[in-house]
Amino acid sequence: DADVTQTPRNRITKTGKRIMLECSQTKGHDRMYWYRQDPGLGLRLIYYSFDVKDINKGEISDGYSVSRQAQAKFSLSLESAIPNQTALYFCATSETGTGRNTIYFGEGSWLTVV
Amino acid sequence: EDQVTQSPEALRLQEGESSSLNCSYTVSGLRGLFWYRQDPGKGPEFLFTLYSAGEEKEKERLKATLTKKESFLHITAPKPEDSATYLCAVQPLFGNEKLTFGTGTRLTIIP
Repeated sequence: DADVTQTPRNRITKTGKRIMLECSQTKGHDRMYWYRQDPGLGLRLIYYSFDVKDINKGEISDGYSVSRQAQAKFSLSLESAIPNQTALYFCATSETGTGRNTIYFGEGSWLTVV
Repeated sequence: EDQVTQSPEALRLQEGESSSLNCSYTVSGLRGLFWYRQDPGKGPEFLFTLYSAGEEKEKERLKATLTKKESFLHITAPKPEDSATYLCAVQPLFGNEKLTFGTGTRLTIIP
């Protein structure tokens, strides 16, 4: 089983609909992240959380919200999806305290907004 | 603002033909430079972290090196299974430790 699990893996939704992407991890890491990947733009950070009570905006947070339900669970919501949110979304985790924390990624969630 | 530029964008090699991928970066103090491998439709897979100029790390046919301005990922005698996109990212020494990623080099090894 994957250490970082994302659901759904693929989703097609209509413009204006609310969609939630869920992430759970078994790595025991404190830190969790949501990234978006678009061709030619690389990976961009949407939101990150260093513990259950800590939520921070990344570089492209507009149109997104997150919830950290537990140490192991971090969900990303699109309140009203729009076509330019069509992308590959990744959840990731890292460990606190080492000062040199490697980020580990999930398998990704393909989201298409039509 | 931290920046990462990877070159070339794409590289096609014959099996066994060694080469290098480049990652040039600017960051206000480097905490770490990361290399990832990404297969199509999959999540990035961690390869290496380099922390200081002069450091080198190896894994099978891959060797990563680091200077104060760039990192190289050397691939020796590649095989078709090494075909993937290779991503470089930097983590700043100060601030929120956020990674800045390059757009990657798409490597194709031809049998």
